[in-house]
Amino acid sequence: EPEVTQTPSHQVTQMGQEVILRCVPISNHLYFYWYRQILGQKVEFLVSFYNNEISEKSEIFDDQFSVERPDGSNFTLKIRSTKLEDSAMYFCAGRDSLLNTEAFFGQGTRLTVV
Amino acid sequence: GENVEQHPSTLSVQEGDSAVIKCTYSDSASNYFPWYKQELGKRPQLIIDIRSNVGEKKDQRIAVTLNKTAKHFSLHITETQPEDSAVYFCAATSTGGGNKLTFGTGTQLKVEL
Repeated sequence: EPEVTQTPSHQVTQMGQEVILRCVPISNHLYFYWYRQILGQKVEFLVSFYNNEISEKSEIFDDQFSVERPDGSNFTLKIRSTKLEDSAMYFCAGRDSLLNTEAFFGQGTRLTVV
Repeated sequence: GENVEQHPSTLSVQEGDSAVIKCTYSDSASNYFPWYKQELGKRPQLIIDIRSNVGEKKDQRIAVTLNKTAKHFSLHITETQPEDSAVYFCAATSTGGGNKLTFGTGTQLKVEL
């Protein structure tokens, strides 16, 4: 069964450093998302991406965040200058249609900012 | 934007009992309502979903009901087992933009022997 793959599974970084979280979506998916989950809290939407551009972003997704799909395969989330409060689990997700179908989640990247 | 509220935040039941988790949503345009189970340190896993043209859906021990008028939907788990212990999240889609999922705050379900 195809699945969404995220790397790394765990990333530790120093405050102020840049991090790039990587995701390989399922091949026939067209809509891509990043969500984050602070430990013990709910899953929060960050950004959606379709046709090589951002279709929607949340208030969390400020100018320190960016996404891209440079090679038509990997879907990346970059945080330019990490803050302590960026520590969370980051989930990539994808779906093949907007017609109310299931969103498939990756296993997540745990980001720890120290 | 959409706001999803979920209750209770924790739920403890005896094995074999039923568990009910309730959610309300605010955006009347939302039309897809999935439920996710999340075990510690793992990804959310879809367990059941319901579309707005359906009032109820059942899959073995799990059922979901939707009341569009009242804007609430519920998850029902019957004959609970210890392996049902996890955090459960409801969610709703926004029909604008990229159809993001708006999640509820989660319910920690504990099934005791």
